[in-house]
Amino acid sequence: DGGITQSPKYLFRKEGQNVTLSCEQNLNHDAMYWYRQDPGQGLRLIYYSQIVNDFQKGDIAEGYSVSREKKESFPLTVTSAQKNPTAFYLCASRHPESAAGANVLTFGAGSRLTVL
Amino acid sequence: KQEVTQIPAALSVPEGENLVLNCSFTDSAIYNLQWFRQDPGKGLTSLLLIQSSQREQTSGRLNASLDKSSGRSTLYIAASQPGDSATYLCAVMNYGGSQGNLIFGKGTKLSVKP
Repeated sequence: DGGITQSPKYLFRKEGQNVTLSCEQNLNHDAMYWYRQDPGQGLRLIYYSQIVNDFQKGDIAEGYSVSREKKESFPLTVTSAQKNPTAFYLCASRHPESAAGANVLTFGAGSRLTVL
Repeated sequence: KQEVTQIPAALSVPEGENLVLNCSFTDSAIYNLQWFRQDPGKGLTSLLLIQSSQREQTSGRLNASLDKSSGRSTLYIAASQPGDSATYLCAVMNYGGSQGNLIFGKGTKLSVKP
């Protein structure tokens, strides 16, 4: 079945360490997104990519980095510069406008990062 | 800047009741509006998407309406069941929204008691 796979599901990080969250999709979608969710808050956009080898900052990009070397993969690195990284991270991809279900976002199951 | 508000923040109802969740947005120039469901510790599941030119969408016991001019959407759940217990999120895609970025509300946490 097509979908989005995020790993790991749970991740613990010591202060000062960089960590990378994986996001893989087999939906053949061009656009992919990373969101951050904090308790009692809505999702906030970190980075997005419309196409391979291109990505743009979202509303809260500071302390994060991404790459998009393959269509299927959009990994997110949480760097030591991110002051409050403990959160639930969600990856999504978007159905193209020409397809059925156009512009619907499909989400992965999320990765929960805790800084010790 | 677009802001999305959901009221109430939490709602508890007995099984079998019909209920309405509310979503409002400040900028009416939206491309579409989507309703999602989120179970605890899980990702989001898309429930309904309403294009800006549409007034409502239905799926099973769910009906979502859109009044773009007043900046409001409602999600109607008929004959609620304990399995409907989850957080429901509303999100809008702005015009110029070819980038597909969604702006989310904080959600309504629904609890349906048996």
